[in-house]
Amino acid sequence: SQQGEEDPQALSIQEGENATMNCSYKTSINNLQWYRQNSGRGLVHLILIRSNEREKHSGRLRVTLDTSKKSSSLLITASRAADTASYFCATPVDKLIFGTGTRLQVFP
Amino acid sequence: EPEVTQTPSHQVTQMGQEVILRCVPISNHLYFYWYRQILGQKVEFLVSFYNNEISEKSEIFDDQFSVERPDGSNFTLKIRSTKLEDSAMYFCASAGQLNTGELFFGEGSRLTVL
Repeated sequence: SQQGEEDPQALSIQEGENATMNCSYKTSINNLQWYRQNSGRGLVHLILIRSNEREKHSGRLRVTLDTSKKSSSLLITASRAADTASYFCATPVDKLIFGTGTRLQVFP
Repeated sequence: EPEVTQTPSHQVTQMGQEVILRCVPISNHLYFYWYRQILGQKVEFLVSFYNNEISEKSEIFDDQFSVERPDGSNFTLKIRSTKLEDSAMYFCASAGQLNTGELFFGEGSRLTVL
């Protein structure tokens, strides 16, 4: 399957620190997407990176993609308590397949 | 900003009862999805729907499940005879493009089967 797997499963940091989450996937893709889910809420799309891109920025988010290693990373800079959520990578093949997610806890 | 809306937000039902979860996708979207998330677990694909028919379904989506787009706006998920293990959050999503664009998710319907 095209399932993404995030690493680490859980991450706890202090406000102001950077948070890095990694994702690995199994087969070729045309894009990879990152989503965020606050506890008990729906998923919100954060950023999409295409297979021909290596890095993409959106505000405090930076995503990298290495298609040779079939991996992606999401960096959240200068984290805030409001960034506390689960973060998922997802790869599309007619439908999005989500990984298990990284639970990020940012302490004020 | 357009959004996907889902109703009810929470439904409690007895085992064996039928449940219908409703979704209103974004109006100009063509691709529709249901996902499920059991508490503490990952988001699992159930079914995709395009051009008034199922495009793909997972092994979770057995004969007890059905989807329908009864009019131009609603997209429903029916569970014919609920089981305890159907307790989960059910998320509807829609997309304007296949494979290349983002999915827009609703806030989910929490189903509790007693």
